[in-house]
Amino acid sequence: DQQVKQNSPSLSVQEGRISILNCDYTNSMFDYFLWYKKYPAEGPTFLISISSIKDKNEDGRFTVFLNKSAKHLSLHIVPSQPGDSAVYFCAASALGGTASKLTFGTGTRLQVTL
Amino acid sequence: GAGVSQSPRYKVAKRGQDVALRCDPISGHVSLFWYQQALGQGPEFLTYFQNEAQLDKSGLPSDRFFAERPEGSVSTLKIQRTQQEDSAVYLCASSPRGQGSGSPLHFGNGTRLTVT
Repeated sequence: DQQVKQNSPSLSVQEGRISILNCDYTNSMFDYFLWYKKYPAEGPTFLISISSIKDKNEDGRFTVFLNKSAKHLSLHIVPSQPGDSAVYFCAASALGGTASKLTFGTGTRLQVTL
Repeated sequence: GAGVSQSPRYKVAKRGQDVALRCDPISGHVSLFWYQQALGQGPEFLTYFQNEAQLDKSGLPSDRFFAERPEGSVSTLKIQRTQQEDSAVYLCASSPRGQGSGSPLHFGNGTRLTVT
């Protein structure tokens, strides 16, 4: 069964607008959540993370929100830039900390148009 | 090197052949992970090393899959008697500290294995 779900396979946003990528999880043991960005033919690159003791973490244009009661997290990118076009993976860990066995979602392909 | 290096980048194997995939982690990194990414899916955990010790191999799909990291640096993932369902991108990732340390994983660019 898919413990981390990204129900939108793709998203198209105009440059300068906000991109919102969503992720749902089912395993209540997950205590650390991450977003990775992936360009074609490259490995995933770490973007931002959040611990389950927080509900928001911000890094420049990227903000991750966590709603534990709904088992839902989202990544906001403001403003969106053409270079943000990539596949975004949500991932979760049940062991605490980012250097742990990760369970990934299936990814959302973001296209930022001019 | 500057990042995690994997070789070969592409591998085509005939069904039944054995393959070996290599990962050079970032120098000094303690943790090393192997993931398998099938087409249209997210990466799936295969196995984890802390230095030379294989602490978790719960994700290896069958006994045809074997991984080693004998000196705590370079790792090799070996697949024996390859099957078509083994076709995927195999990703290696490393981290400077052990599990639960809060360090992000640094991924290599992967090896795309195609079994014909």
